[in-house]
Amino acid sequence: DAGVIQSPRHEVTEMGQEVTLRCKPISGHDYLFWYRQTMMRGLELLIYFNNNVPIDDSGMPEDRFSAKMPNASFSTLKIQPSEPRDSAVYFCASSDSNQPQHFGDGTRLSIL
Amino acid sequence: DQQVKQNSPSLSVQEGRISILNCDYTNSMFDYFLWYKKYPAEGPTFLISISSIKDKNEDGRFTVFLNKSAKHLSLHIVPSQPGDSAVYFCAASHSGTYKYIFGTGTRLKVLA
Repeated sequence: DAGVIQSPRHEVTEMGQEVTLRCKPISGHDYLFWYRQTMMRGLELLIYFNNNVPIDDSGMPEDRFSAKMPNASFSTLKIQPSEPRDSAVYFCASSDSNQPQHFGDGTRLSIL
Repeated sequence: DQQVKQNSPSLSVQEGRISILNCDYTNSMFDYFLWYKKYPAEGPTFLISISSIKDKNEDGRFTVFLNKSAKHLSLHIVPSQPGDSAVYFCAASHSGTYKYIFGTGTRLKVLA
């Protein structure tokens, strides 16, 4: 079975550029989550969707961050403009209702 | 304010012995707890969970204990194997929300 698929695996870009991270959840899962992992703050939830609708975006750090889920098999997390402090590993996870979340392998983002 | 704490950043154990990883939480509303294992360059993988109506849950070599009065949970791995070497995260959530609050992780090294 295919797990959660994230792309790209690594992204290096310059400050000020737009960054788009992509996620394909496990087929049939109705919840999708975006997390960010940093040394300082650990693994923190940014936003989650249920049936493609954003439910809680209280973890989104600021307006430069936005997330969309246009259909059940695809989501994006966009940062515009990007800043060096956005450098982190970004994880996408999905779940079937109240079952444990399954994580992708993450996107390592470096903003120079 | 860290609601979920893993106070030991690292732990080394001899192969065949027991590994005990600890986690404390502060929010008494939490009623569902999970442990995830993470290898380098991969996403966290679900290991075992426990609901607050139980005080113990076993799955093969892995057992999670929950002490609600102390707001403490622990993961026991016995016997420990070199393949168990990874970072272990505990997470907590409460009914009505699908948000997981993660601890900062404990790096376990099992020595052959």
